[in-house]
Amino acid sequence: GEDVEQSLFLSVREGDSSVINCTYTDSSSTYLYWYKQEPGAGLQLLTYIFSNMDMKQDQRLTVLLNKKDKHLSLRIADTQTGDSAIYFCAESISGYSGGGADGLTFGKGTHLIIQP
Amino acid sequence: KAGVTQTPRYLIKTRGQQVTLSCSPISGHRSVSWYQQTPGQGLQFLFEYFSETQRNKGNFPGRFSGRQFSNSRSEMNVSTLELGDSALYLCASSLEPGGNTGELFFGEGSRLTVL
Repeated sequence: GEDVEQSLFLSVREGDSSVINCTYTDSSSTYLYWYKQEPGAGLQLLTYIFSNMDMKQDQRLTVLLNKKDKHLSLRIADTQTGDSAIYFCAESISGYSGGGADGLTFGKGTHLIIQP
Repeated sequence: KAGVTQTPRYLIKTRGQQVTLSCSPISGHRSVSWYQQTPGQGLQFLFEYFSETQRNKGNFPGRFSGRQFSNSRSEMNVSTLELGDSALYLCASSLEPGGNTGELFFGEGSRLTVL
């Protein structure tokens, strides 16, 4: 079966880089996602990476994928107070953007805490 | 371009009642999927609809059902509500299932409280 794991908390100082890590177990994943959720809000798609890529950069965000180790990371450069949120890693299987037999499988989320 | 719209945003029901939640996907998107988010279980997939047909279903009891209309709008229904159904219900839209965009956009959710 599939499982996605993330650390529950990460604390960083404002201006530093944040690195949020995620491991997944299903080797047939096709897309891997990062979503951001602020209190009381829905999920905001930050970025996604196709499984045949190993890196994707989008402004302050860098996604690294190590398919051999089934490890995904999200780096946020120059972390700001507005980055404070829960970050979810998710995997999609079977090439369906909405998910395969079980939809997207999400991690429990990492609470990013910004220290002034 | 409007995002994914979910209504109502908040609602309170009592045990045994039923509830219907609505989701309007992004214009042009034909696939709608639903997720339940609770503190204990996290985010769990409910079902996915495309062209008015349910394509996939998660591991939820038959009390949870849904449908999709010809304009791609979707509704989900929960009958005989239980306390454990209290959750944030999130709808996501994408161009098509099986598409290669990888883009799946969520709405703000409908927060259901069952008393």
